[in-house]
Amino acid sequence: AQSVTQLDSHVSVSEGTPVLLRCNYSSSYSPSLFWYVQHPNKGLQLLLKYTSAATLVKGINGFEAEFKKSETSFHLTKPSAHMSDAAEYFCVVSDPGSARQLTFGSGTQLTVLP
Amino acid sequence: DTGVSQNPRHKITKRGQNVTFRCDPISEHNRLYWYRQTLGQGPEFLTYFQNEAQLEKSRLLSDRFSAERPKGSFSTLEIQRTEQGDSAMYLCASSLVRGWAFFGQGTRLTVV
Repeated sequence: AQSVTQLDSHVSVSEGTPVLLRCNYSSSYSPSLFWYVQHPNKGLQLLLKYTSAATLVKGINGFEAEFKKSETSFHLTKPSAHMSDAAEYFCVVSDPGSARQLTFGSGTQLTVLP
Repeated sequence: DTGVSQNPRHKITKRGQNVTFRCDPISEHNRLYWYRQTLGQGPEFLTYFQNEAQLEKSRLLSDRFSAERPKGSFSTLEIQRTEQGDSAMYLCASSLVRGWAFFGQGTRLTVV
């Protein structure tokens, strides 16, 4: 069985400061990992994905994430937050052994303060 | 727009009524998924199709729920005898067999 734990339900940062959204996963297989972002009244947008290639993954809008197998983590970072980054972020695991394909974390609401 | 399209975007219905939602996937995608998202939670898997075959259904999908993808293109999700607990955002996603999923904007259902 696969699962995802997002360690913070809410994160607040000031504009221009770094962002760290934490995610730990559990999977019986070598997983694929994703971060999706959801803005209010918008659909889920893929930010980045890890699929067993480079462990440091770069995504859109300056976000990146590092896959650490020893820590079963896939934390999302950005060097400098922008007001437009305020949204809900979901860490997602895809297990090739499961036909469900995607298991979502409970989400982290990012607030960016001016 | 070549993304995943869902209709309607919003639906308000009275308890006990039936509702049907439609999802049009990205045209070359052979996998189609339905998820449900309640307030403050991440999306939860409901069911998925590969072409026209419904290959898996979650235990969340009670017998009041039925999904179809008759020609392997668009899909419908019907909820019969709606209950207030069915109020949620219903998300559709599509993918290639080994691709990542693209999501639609969802249908927000409110049961009053």
